[in-house]
Amino acid sequence: QKEVEQDPGPLSVPEGAIVSLNCTYSNSAFQYFMWYRQYSRKGPELLMYTYSSGNKEDGRFTAQVDKSSKYISLFIRDSQPSDSATYLCAMSARNNRLAFGKGNQVVVIP
Amino acid sequence: EPEVTQTPSHQVTQMGQEVILRCVPISNHLYFYWYRQILGQKVEFLVSFYNNEISEKSEIFDDQFSVERPDGSNFTLKIRSTKLEDSAMYFCASNRLEENGYGYTFGSGTRLTVV
Repeated sequence: QKEVEQDPGPLSVPEGAIVSLNCTYSNSAFQYFMWYRQYSRKGPELLMYTYSSGNKEDGRFTAQVDKSSKYISLFIRDSQPSDSATYLCAMSARNNRLAFGKGNQVVVIP
Repeated sequence: EPEVTQTPSHQVTQMGQEVILRCVPISNHLYFYWYRQILGQKVEFLVSFYNNEISEKSEIFDDQFSVERPDGSNFTLKIRSTKLEDSAMYFCASNRLEENGYGYTFGSGTRLTVV
């Protein structure tokens, strides 16, 4: 079983729609959960970071963690064309080593 | 905003040659990392470095790889004898463990092409 699974299918949404992304994981030792945004030919950029189950909001972005189900989600409200990018989930245990999902390419159509 | 700087942005090398990828982490960060991303695949951990020594390495980081912090600012990844399968984007990252937890700052990457 892969450590982090993220369905890598591309996602196209109209501007203003809600984008919903998710990842599952198998390693119970993971305690820290992140979402990164990656533009083409650039490094991942940290969007959201959390370490507890529940929701965390930052502007139009909400990260959700359910440790009992080993499931994390990212929601983007009122999506904008500038949100078009690849979104990567990542997580780590206390060893400071990130395990990434494969990423979802999101396209927001004006 | 502070950045992690990587050079060169693109490097082409012949199989069997040595390459050195360079990174300047954020100045007050304490932990440094190398990750790689083969085209179409996941970002994969290679190595972490703290207090002038490797703190952890993955199974990918075999004897052909080495890291060094030759001075107070640079952090390098050396690949001794490149293979075709080493072609990938190599990302350097850094963080301060005491703040922002495990949120890294990544550089823009070096695209390594082995021919």
